[in-house]
Amino acid sequence: KQEVTQIPAALSVPEGENLVLNCSFTDSAIYNLQWFRQDPGKGLTSLLLIQSSQREQTSGRLNASLDKSSGRSTLYIAASQPGDSATYLCADTQGGSEKLVFGKGTKLTVNP
Amino acid sequence: DTEVTQTPKHLVMGMTNKKSLKCEQHMGHRAMYWYKQKAKKPPELMFVYSYEKLSINESVPSRFSPECPNSSLLNLHLHALQPEDSALYLCASSQVASASYEQYFGPGTRLTVT
Repeated sequence: KQEVTQIPAALSVPEGENLVLNCSFTDSAIYNLQWFRQDPGKGLTSLLLIQSSQREQTSGRLNASLDKSSGRSTLYIAASQPGDSATYLCADTQGGSEKLVFGKGTKLTVNP
Repeated sequence: DTEVTQTPKHLVMGMTNKKSLKCEQHMGHRAMYWYKQKAKKPPELMFVYSYEKLSINESVPSRFSPECPNSSLLNLHLHALQPEDSALYLCASSQVASASYEQYFGPGTRLTVT
C-alpha cells in the first residue's frame, strides 16, 4: 500500500526566508505528484502537479521537484511571506489510479 | 475557470435527519470525487464518479449515498449519520478519472452531526 510521509509536521520561519518542504513516497511507480495548500477550515488549493516524466515544475515563487528513484519530492518556497502561512499537503496517485493518497501535511507559519 | 463550488458551507444535522451536500463544476470535467477530512488529518477518498457512473466506493457506510445527476453536478445524500461523521466534506473534479490529471477541490462543507 502506498504511503506518503511529510517532514517536518510543522515549520516556523521569519518572513523573507527561503524554505523547503519534504514529501516521500513508498511506491516509485507513481504517475504524478500534486502539491496542495490548505488554509484553516478551507478546501484545498492545487499548487503544482508534477508528472512522473518531469523532474520539476515552477509557479511564481514555488518550485516542486520529483525524484522517483529516491521516492522524494520537495516544494521550495522562495522569499516567504506571512500570506504563505498554511498547511501544505502532497499527494500521489496510488498504483497509477485516480486515487490520491495524501501525506499528513506540513503546517507552515511565516512570521512578520 | 478552475472553480468547484460546494453548498452549503456549513451544515448541522441531527442523527435522524436527511440532508444533502451539493457540488458543481463547469470545467467540462468528467470525473468527480467526494473526500472526507477529519480535523488535523489528510483528506480520505470516499467515492469517484467517472462519466456519471460510480467507479470507486471506498467501503463507505450506506448512510452516505452519492448521486451524479449529470456531468456537472455531484450530490452526497446523508441519512442517519453518527456524531463521528462530523468532518469537512470536500468535492473535487478532474478532466477524466486518471492518474495523469490534476484534481481541483472545492471549499468544502463543514458538517456537524449532533
